Amino acid sequence: GIQVEQSPPDLILQEGANSTLRCNFSDSVNNLQWFHQNPWGQLINLFYIPSGTKQNGRLSATTVATERYSLLYISSSQTTDSGVYFCAGSIQGAQKLVFGQGTRLTINP
Amino acid sequence: DGGITQSPKYLFRKEGQNVTLSCEQNLNHDAMYWYRQDPGQGLRLIYYSQIVNDFQKGDIAEGYSVSREKKESFPLTVTSAQKNPTAFYLCATEDRLGANYGYTFGSGTRLTVV
Repeated sequence: GIQVEQSPPDLILQEGANSTLRCNFSDSVNNLQWFHQNPWGQLINLFYIPSGTKQNGRLSATTVATERYSLLYISSSQTTDSGVYFCAGSIQGAQKLVFGQGTRLTINP
Repeated sequence: DGGITQSPKYLFRKEGQNVTLSCEQNLNHDAMYWYRQDPGQGLRLIYYSQIVNDFQKGDIAEGYSVSREKKESFPLTVTSAQKNPTAFYLCATEDRLGANYGYTFGSGTRLTVV
């Protein structure tokens, strides 16, 4: 199966800072998605982004499908952005998403 | 409000018991999934169902069973054959046709063996 590698594993920033999270895939994927897991365990879908760039407020994501990676940008971080960010994708023809190990983001006031 | 309801939020199981975790959705999504998350880890797929009365094993199906008798419901049974069941269990649905394409997750069930 595909391997999903996320970096960095941990990131600690001050409120107001910007950050970039990366996701690399071992094979071509479709159905690429980014999720945020809050401290209570709830997973929220941030982006469905098999290719190209999308923006939603302070968050944006870019996927370069031909090079098998995706980036999540968070600008002007707030303490509520803390949590774990996961990327996930599936290979062509498969229905199930494979998740990375996540990036734990801590935003300090 | 449309969404996914998982119950209970916390569940304690004695050794040798079977327990069933509930997942109900009113999003009208065909596909449903069960994932397991261990502390500090990503999510691993247990079972999934594309349509009523059909389901497939995921990567870690041993010791688990599911049913899909209704579109809205996809319960997961953790059997006594699952040797290390303590984990956070997440149910998800997938919208493949609507504007909000992608997975939606429930709030999860934390299972602890006592």
